[in-house]
Amino acid sequence: DVKVTQSSRYLVKRTGEKVFLECVQDMDHENMFWYRQDPGLGLRLIYFSYDVKMKEKGDIPEGYSVSREKKERFSLILESASTNQTSMYLCASSPYPLTFGSGTRLTVV
Amino acid sequence: KNEVEQSPQNLTAQEGEFITINCSYSVGISALHWLQQHPGGGIVSLFMLSSGKKKHGRLIATINIQEKHSSLHITASHPRDSAVYICAVERNTGNQFYFGTGTSLTVIP
Repeated sequence: DVKVTQSSRYLVKRTGEKVFLECVQDMDHENMFWYRQDPGLGLRLIYFSYDVKMKEKGDIPEGYSVSREKKERFSLILESASTNQTSMYLCASSPYPLTFGSGTRLTVV
Repeated sequence: KNEVEQSPQNLTAQEGEFITINCSYSVGISALHWLQQHPGGGIVSLFMLSSGKKKHGRLIATINIQEKHSSLHITASHPRDSAVYICAVERNTGNQFYFGTGTSLTVIP
């Protein structure tokens, strides 16, 4: 069964902290994505990667960076966490099947 | 500008009812995905369609490429179908997705 695994289900961090969200897929997918999901706004793309060391900005990249050193791993970094980054973060990979991780609910206090 | 529009936003049904959720899109696509998200849960892929119709158990998905429209039907709805259903379109580039804001379905026993 194909799988995308996110390292943490829930995280609470303080304002100004550097936060790392990890995502690993076991499907040999080329494409990996980071989205944030907020009520009423749906899924918004932060960054995606189509190959190792390649990345493209999505719709809302400000305040975030990413790293893809290996094909199976895609990390999202919040350089200096702020309260407006409190959200559900979802990692996904493709092509078919488009597969999502179970999400990380991040609270920044 | 929303590339993907879903209707209705919210839907309440009695157990056993036939349910239809609609999705319209405005961009060229290579495939359309229907996704399901239970409260507090991750996102699961239900269907990927590029033409015609697919059926899985009580769920049926159809797509009309010319009209840029897809429907998700649930026959004999059950309380366990209560979830948010999300329509997503995959662009011709294969690594770009647009998401609807979701339809929140509640099935009452």
